[in-house]
Amino acid sequence: ETGVTQTPRHLVMGMTNKKSLKCEQHLGHNAMYWYKQSAKKPLELMFVYNFKEQTENNSVPSRFSPECPNSSHLFLHLHTLQPEDSALYLCASSQEGRTSSYNEQFFGPGTRLTVL
Amino acid sequence: LAKTTQPISMDSYEGQEVNITCSHNNIATNDYITWYQQFPSQGPRFIIQGYKTKVTNEVASLFIPADRKSSTLSLPRVSLSDTAVYYCLVGDRSSGGYNKLIFGAGTRLAVHP
Repeated sequence: ETGVTQTPRHLVMGMTNKKSLKCEQHLGHNAMYWYKQSAKKPLELMFVYNFKEQTENNSVPSRFSPECPNSSHLFLHLHTLQPEDSALYLCASSQEGRTSSYNEQFFGPGTRLTVL
Repeated sequence: LAKTTQPISMDSYEGQEVNITCSHNNIATNDYITWYQQFPSQGPRFIIQGYKTKVTNEVASLFIPADRKSSTLSLPRVSLSDTAVYYCLVGDRSSGGYNKLIFGAGTRLAVHP
């Protein structure tokens, strides 16, 4: 256990559905992250939140909408996704908000998303 | 955009030492180099981190030359449970001084009996 939990672990949705991914960290960290991991591709950073404020959006399509109500919870709202959005979505947290590799990131187990 | 370069895959046998090298030509001055390990269907897990020269912990060693444009993760006496993907993580110096997290493509290590 890393102290970062994600639900659901698996999700299958149609292109017209709306769903949400949830991440919760029990480590008292201030920064939270969403990553996308597609088959045979490097981990892609999607969003960064520091102290509940979004500090980075790496040109992610608007069909992905993050929400960070507090420093312990992070959501990724999904709507009208495409089959190519099928991937493993990973949440992570770290102690500080600076996007520097100095801060160790703790990852959740991920949500395996399949878009039909 | 800066990127890291790692071998795509490596094979080893139980009990051997494995060295995985990562190239990162545009590493930022204040950035550290971090290596993560990832097993199938799990998120990456921190292994080791360093800034220069050599760092050693109970799991691995990290060698960083003076120019810091590369780093080598060394796993002593690997076992079957070390079969995983290994990523190196550095900041992106090319983005105007704003450090972004960039994972390498990862090296898939297979340890054989």
